[in-house]
This record gives sequence, structure tokens and C-alpha cells, in this order.
Amino acid sequence: AQSVAQPEDQVNVAEGNPLTVKCTYSVSGNPYLFWYVQYPNRGLQFLLKYITGDNLVKGSYGFEAEFNKSQTSFHLKKPSALVSDSALYFCAVRDKGGNNDMRFGAGTRLTVKP
Amino acid sequence: EPEVTQTPSHQVTQMGQEVILRCVPISNHLYFYWYRQILGQKVEFLVSFYNNEISEKSEIFDDQFSVERPDGSNFTLKIRSTKLEDSAMYFCASSTDRTSNQPQHFGDGTRLSIL
Repeated sequence: AQSVAQPEDQVNVAEGNPLTVKCTYSVSGNPYLFWYVQYPNRGLQFLLKYITGDNLVKGSYGFEAEFNKSQTSFHLKKPSALVSDSALYFCAVRDKGGNNDMRFGAGTRLTVKP
Repeated sequence: EPEVTQTPSHQVTQMGQEVILRCVPISNHLYFYWYRQILGQKVEFLVSFYNNEISEKSEIFDDQFSVERPDGSNFTLKIRSTKLEDSAMYFCASSTDRTSNQPQHFGDGTRLSIL
């Protein structure tokens, strides 16, 4: 069964600095990988996905993520953080050849300080 | 941009009572899901629904749970006899088709509090 791990419960960065939110995955086949963001009292908002092709995928709000097959990672990045990026971030995986249910990581709380 | 809408935003129910959580998926979407998020914990898959039947369900989705699409727009989750541990945020999601590379679009959730 597919799974993801987000090793950091909390990430703190200063506004204007680059940010990275880490994610590693485990699937039996090839993965579809997703990043979602959750603001307080809201549902999950889709940010970006990796399906195939270029390992660097770009998404909403200036976020990007790099798929690394050898390290089974899909870290979320942004070159310059904004205070408004502060939220809960979830990595998710689906097995390309398996079930359609999506497995989420435990989430990482990103705090960007002015 | 079309949205998934969920009602109510907060439901308070006595233990043992039945509760129905309602969702209106995006109109041209064909695949529907329920997830739950216990406070401070990860988002957990409950069930997926396609073509008027359950496609997949997790071990959490036991006989106390059921889903239904009673008309062309609503998608409901029923918990037959609620337990304290059912207290959580419940999210509905929908996607355009069953292809696993499509993102799911989530509603803002219903906070279920069991007393």
C-alpha cells in the first residue's frame, strides 16, 4: 500500500527566505504525487502534482516541487516565502497502478515570520 | 471557480444518534470521496464513490458508515450510531474522473462533535 512521510511537524522561516517542506513516499509501483495546503477552518487546496515527465513541477502561488526517484522524495519549495504562506501543508500519493484512494502525510505546519 | 460545498459547517450530536453530513460536489465531477481528519492528526481516506456505488473503502469505513447520492447533486455520509471517537473534521472531495492522476477538489469540511 502507498504511504507518505512528512518528517517535520513544523517548519519556521523568515519572510523572503527560501522554504522547503519535506516529503518522502512509498509505493509498490510508480507514484502520482500531490501537495495540498490547508488554511485555518478550510478544506485542502490543491497546489501541484507530479505525474510524469519533468522532475520539477510548478504549481500555484509560486510553489514548486522536485520529484527524486532515487531518494523517493517530493519536497515542496518556494524561493521566497511570504507571511501569507503560513498554513498546514500535506503531501499525498496515489499508486499509478493501484487503488484510487489518496494517502496523505501527517502534515507540516509552515510558519513564515515577518 | 466551482467549489465543493459541505453542510453543515459544524454538527453537534449526542453519542448514539445518527448523523448525516452533506456535500455538493462540483457539477461535472464523477468521482466522490469522504475523508476525515481527527484534530491534530492526518487526513484519512474513508471511501470513494463512482457510478452510484462504492469503489474503495478503508478499514475505518465500517458498518456504521454509509454513503449515498440521493439525487443528481448531493453526496451524503451517514454515521448510523455515533461514537465519541467519530468526532473529527469530515471532508468531501470530488474529481473529474477515476484516473488517479487527477487532483481531488475538497470542500471546507464539517466539524462533527459527539457529546
